[in-house]
Amino acid sequence: GEDVEQSLFLSVREGDSSVINCTYTDSSSTYLYWYKQEPGAGLQLLTYIFSNMDMKQDQRLTVLLNKKDKHLSLRIADTQTGDSAIYFCAELSGRGGADGLTFGKGTHLIIQP
Amino acid sequence: ETGVTQSPTHLIKTRGQQVTLRCSSQSGHNTVSWYQQALGQGPQFIFQYYREEENGRGNFPPRFSGLQFPNYSSELNVNALELDDSALYLCASSRDRSLGSPLHFGNGTRLTVT
Repeated sequence: GEDVEQSLFLSVREGDSSVINCTYTDSSSTYLYWYKQEPGAGLQLLTYIFSNMDMKQDQRLTVLLNKKDKHLSLRIADTQTGDSAIYFCAELSGRGGADGLTFGKGTHLIIQP
Repeated sequence: ETGVTQSPTHLIKTRGQQVTLRCSSQSGHNTVSWYQQALGQGPQFIFQYYREEENGRGNFPPRFSGLQFPNYSSELNVNALELDDSALYLCASSRDRSLGSPLHFGNGTRLTVT
């Protein structure tokens, strides 16, 4: 079946940029999402990109999509302590919402002072 | 705008029992999905409801069932609980079931099965 892979941990210094990477296998993916999960909380939608786009920017967040390599990244500029969380990449297949989103295992973003 | 709310926040059940989890969708949303998130894992799709009918289902056995009500709220029922059912259960709503309608999640119900 379809798979989404992410690195488990990323450590960055406060004020630096964080880049979280994700690869997926479903070539029929239509939308790709980034969600943030803080301890004890649900998932917060950060941003999403349609598969015919290669970049989307929203304030400190930049999403890059390389559809040929099935690679998605999330860049967080000027990383702050409040950005410390687990970040999930998810993809929606071309069969639509009836198949649900396929999530990666999440990347723990650790901020060093 | 009211977000997705779930109840209860925590629940402890014994193996073999049955449980019902509840979800109120975000205002203006008519589609509800349920996900199971085991510790250290990403969420896994259980099923989706649209217009009170199951619209899609993940790889979960029939003892996982659901309902959607006319006000778009939803329930997840799990029968014959197993230890592996211990997880965070997340409800998500979307404006509709179109591809471009992103999911908005609640804070989840933490279920512990002993």
